[in-house]
Amino acid sequence: DGGITQSPKYLFRKEGQNVTLSCEQNLNHDAMYWYRQDPGQGLRLIYYSQIVNDFQKGDIAEGYSVSREKKESFPLTVTSAQKNPTAFYLCASRTTGHLGQPQHFGDGTRLSIL
Amino acid sequence: AQSVTQLDSQVPVFEEAPVELRCNYSSSVSVYLFWYVQYPNQGLQLLLKYLSGSTLVKGINGFEAEFNKSQTSFHLRKPSVHISDTAEYFCAVTFTGFQKLVFGTGTRLLVSP
Repeated sequence: DGGITQSPKYLFRKEGQNVTLSCEQNLNHDAMYWYRQDPGQGLRLIYYSQIVNDFQKGDIAEGYSVSREKKESFPLTVTSAQKNPTAFYLCASRTTGHLGQPQHFGDGTRLSIL
Repeated sequence: AQSVTQLDSQVPVFEEAPVELRCNYSSSVSVYLFWYVQYPNQGLQLLLKYLSGSTLVKGINGFEAEFNKSQTSFHLRKPSVHISDTAEYFCAVTFTGFQKLVFGTGTRLLVSP
């Protein structure tokens, strides 16, 4: 079945440590997205990519980095510069060409501070 | 500025009762509208979408929504809810000319027996 796989499901970060969240899709979608979800705040866009080797900052990109070397993969690195990384992180993808195409979501990674 | 508002953070309802979850948006351009559902510790699943045409849109699990352009609203309804509908519901809007999807803050639907 086609879908989006996020790993790991749970992740713990030590102070001063960078961690990388994986997102892989086999839907053949061009566009991929990373969101951060905090209670009562909905989803906030961190980074997005509409094509391989290109990505743009979203609304809360500070302390995060991404790469898009392959169409299927869009890993997110939470750097030590992100002072409040505890949250639920969601990856999404969609086909491009029409803004009405919906985004499809993975099952998320929950990141906590040790 | 473009924005999406879900005024109700939580909606309690009894099983088999009807429910309406409200969503309003602010925009000076055309929009595409979506409702997503999120069960605990899972991602978001698309319930329904409005792109154009008939303003009444039917989705999965018996949900429907009505687009009202004059009131800039896209309220979600279900005539009879089940315990299994307990989840968080997000309204989301794509504004013409912008590549981003803007989410409301979510409404937690709590269905009790």
